[in-house]
Amino acid sequence: TQLLEQSPQFLSIQEGENLTVYCNSSSVFSSLQWYRQEPGEGPVLLVTVVTGGEVKKLKRLTFQFGDARKDSSLHITAAQPGDTGLYLCAGEGASNDYKLSFGAGTTVTVRA
Amino acid sequence: NAGVTQTPKFQVLKTGQSMTLQCAQDMNHEYMSWYRQDPGMGLRLIHYSVGAGITDQGEVPNGYNVSRSTTEDFPLRLLSAAPSQTSVYFCASSPSVTGGTEAFFGQGTRLTVV
Repeated sequence: TQLLEQSPQFLSIQEGENLTVYCNSSSVFSSLQWYRQEPGEGPVLLVTVVTGGEVKKLKRLTFQFGDARKDSSLHITAAQPGDTGLYLCAGEGASNDYKLSFGAGTTVTVRA
Repeated sequence: NAGVTQTPKFQVLKTGQSMTLQCAQDMNHEYMSWYRQDPGMGLRLIHYSVGAGITDQGEVPNGYNVSRSTTEDFPLRLLSAAPSQTSVYFCASSPSVTGGTEAFFGQGTRLTVV
């Protein structure tokens, strides 16, 4: 099992503030995915990053894959209450074995 | 398009009982998997399948069985329920077994074993 550590575990901010969530591992991943999960629902994919150093933007969300493909970050600019949820990172091993290893998640609360 | 459908949504079992959690997808996906989600531990892979007739164990397979007789269905069987199996269970499917593909999740089954 390839361990993915997410930090922080909990994050509570005011609407309009920025936030960053980190996903770190000692293992190399062939790809890394970010999901958001709302209460009572299954996770929904936000983005997949594949290339080391890759940066992807999704409206106010910016995702970065580390150069060594061992870490990733999610940055939200001007957070809104609709961004509230559990953010999960998931990595696929470098052997392309199609099995995802999930981090424990970061619970983000954006207060109006 | 229903996506991934899990039933039931909630279930309470007594210790020692058996049951089957159902999962069906209508997207013709090759890859299906079962996860359990516990507080502070993320999603842990129980079993997975790369196609009809093929299954394999994930990270936490003990106490669970699976089968994949069709592309659409991937049921998870609890053989003799234990309180440690109290969790939220998610079924997921992906279009292919190659990397970088999106996992589509069902809404989950919240299981309590008393």
